[in-house]
Amino acid sequence: DGGITQSPKYLFRKEGQNVTLSCEQNLNHDAMYWYRQDPGQGLRLIYYSQIVNDFQKGDIAEGYSVSREKKESFPLTVTSAQKNPTAFYLCASRVYGGSNQPQHFGDGTRLSIL
Amino acid sequence: DQQVKQNSPSLSVQEGRISILNCDYTNSMFDYFLWYKKYPAEGPTFLISISSIKDKNEDGRFTVFLNKSAKHLSLHIVPSQPGDSAVYFCAASEGGSQGNLIFGKGTKLSVKP
Repeated sequence: DGGITQSPKYLFRKEGQNVTLSCEQNLNHDAMYWYRQDPGQGLRLIYYSQIVNDFQKGDIAEGYSVSREKKESFPLTVTSAQKNPTAFYLCASRVYGGSNQPQHFGDGTRLSIL
Repeated sequence: DQQVKQNSPSLSVQEGRISILNCDYTNSMFDYFLWYKKYPAEGPTFLISISSIKDKNEDGRFTVFLNKSAKHLSLHIVPSQPGDSAVYFCAASEGGSQGNLIFGKGTKLSVKP
């Protein structure tokens, strides 16, 4: 089955610790995205990547880092510089180019602070 | 400043009736609009989209209407079913689907049997 896999589903971070959230897709999509959702809020864009080895900051990139070494993988690292990391993190992907192709989402990772 | 607004945090509808979810936007450069449905602890699922060259798009029980002059779009679900109970997000982008999506805060729909 083609889809977007995020792991782990739940993650706990200690103070001062970096953690990495995994996102893998087998849809052969070019573009990948990371969003953050807080309670009662919409999704806010953290980082995005339209091709391998290239990525751009979104609206709330501070305290986060990403890499895009392979087309199918776009891991997100939540660094100790992110002072309010507790949130639901969503990864999405999309065909790049073409006419109006929607983004498709994984099932998310919930990050909490110990 | 919110560019995409869903002013109703919640909506309750009887099974079999019509559900109408509303969304307003401020950026006149937006040219691609989408609706997503989200259950708790899951990722959003794409429902339906519309480009700014159209004013209506229909897919089964779901219809999206776009009023560009009013900068308003709406999602109609007819007939509503209990399984439709979820949070619905409106999103918009400029530059078609290649642009980054801006999301509203969502409307929680409850469909009562």
